[in-house]
Amino acid sequence: GNSVTQMEGPVTLSEEAFLTINCTYTATGYPSLFWYVQYPGEGLQLLLKATKADDKGSNKGFEATYRKETTSFHLEKGSVQVSDSAVYFCALSDDHMRFGAGTRLTVKP
Amino acid sequence: ETGVTQTPRHLVMGMTNKKSLKCEQHLGHNAMYWYKQSAKKPLELMFVYSLEERVENNSVPSRFSPECPNSSHLFLHLHTLQPEDSALYLCASSQDPRGSSYNEQFFGPGTRLTVL
Repeated sequence: GNSVTQMEGPVTLSEEAFLTINCTYTATGYPSLFWYVQYPGEGLQLLLKATKADDKGSNKGFEATYRKETTSFHLEKGSVQVSDSAVYFCALSDDHMRFGAGTRLTVKP
Repeated sequence: ETGVTQTPRHLVMGMTNKKSLKCEQHLGHNAMYWYKQSAKKPLELMFVYSLEERVENNSVPSRFSPECPNSSHLFLHLHTLQPEDSALYLCASSQDPRGSSYNEQFFGPGTRLTVL
């Protein structure tokens, strides 16, 4: 069945470092792809999404490009802040939303 | 109130207690979900309701009993739980789970449940 696999954490970075969190997917058809973020003590929030190949989703300085040739949707940010510390979930949507295991990011001052 | 709300935010219960979790969505969505989030485990989908009809039950033990009286409200009734049921229980809603793949889900803040 359709699924997503994302890099295991935890990831620890210094402020202003470059962030990449890898996500690859397995799917038949053309699912939509999402990144969700969960801040401490909160539920998941949609960070960005892409609905077709070559689409780039972006929000709050984060970006991810839907790449069909590599079946990937890697999350990137050029300069992370302490406030970006959270757990990030890659997900795809076909008839159901399917989440990755989550990657915990800690950004140190 | 906006978005998806959940009450209570924290709940501690004994194994013989009966309690209920409540979720309410103010987004006009037709589908609602219960998820279980345990430490170091992937998010587990428990139940899906679409237009107040249960469309999915992912082999969840009968000590968890969902109820969806209307498209805006979702409950999870709990009885005779086990300590391993301690987790964050998340509610979500979407426009509709079936058909379009564009349906993003909107989550509530969760109920942190501890079973003693």
